[in-house]
Amino acid sequence: DSGVTQTPKHLITATGQRVTLRCSPRSGDLSVYWYQQSLDQGLQFLIQYYNGEERAKGNILERFSAQQFPDLHSELNLSSLELGDSALYFCASSVGSSYNEQFFGPGTRLTVL
Amino acid sequence: TQLLEQSPQFLSIQEGENLTVYCNSSSVFSSLQWYRQEPGEGPVLLVTVVTGGEVKKLKRLTFQFGDARKDSSLHITAAQPGDTGLYLCAGAVETSYDKVIFGPGTSLSVIP
Repeated sequence: DSGVTQTPKHLITATGQRVTLRCSPRSGDLSVYWYQQSLDQGLQFLIQYYNGEERAKGNILERFSAQQFPDLHSELNLSSLELGDSALYFCASSVGSSYNEQFFGPGTRLTVL
Repeated sequence: TQLLEQSPQFLSIQEGENLTVYCNSSSVFSSLQWYRQEPGEGPVLLVTVVTGGEVKKLKRLTFQFGDARKDSSLHITAAQPGDTGLYLCAGAVETSYDKVIFGPGTSLSVIP
């Protein structure tokens, strides 16, 4: 158990819909990262927050947005969903030290029908 | 564009064999991590290497960081079926605090 929690574990929805994925980082970690993993794309970095502020952006679509709240939990919002958005979405956290070790949650499996 | 390459992409070996997987980049990293991921689960951190030339051992796994801190290798001795999984390397780019890039992974299958 990494100490990072993600909910829900599974999510099935239809095209055009909007969903919210939630992540709670390990106690004491200030950074939260979001990743998308599909069979053909590997682990793709989406976005990082550090202590409530956006720190880095990766390959995140405009239909996707995220935020980190004062209690450091984070939410990833996916809207106007398409079939191709079906993937595993992982959240990871790190203390923000120079080592950058990340601890991953169990993931949310999103299926768009 | 900063990229991490891993080789081989796929590896299938018999139990008891030795293997080495590689992680290479043109970027210099302040640290590099190796993760193992099993299907449907999140990656699990195995090790972090920080110093050029550093070697770390974790039971049957030996990790090495290149002298120039641009590459790394993972050697597994006497592989076991429990070693099966996707091995990912991830580097913290030296010039960009907290920016970490992941390689595409090496998928290892150890056949009993």
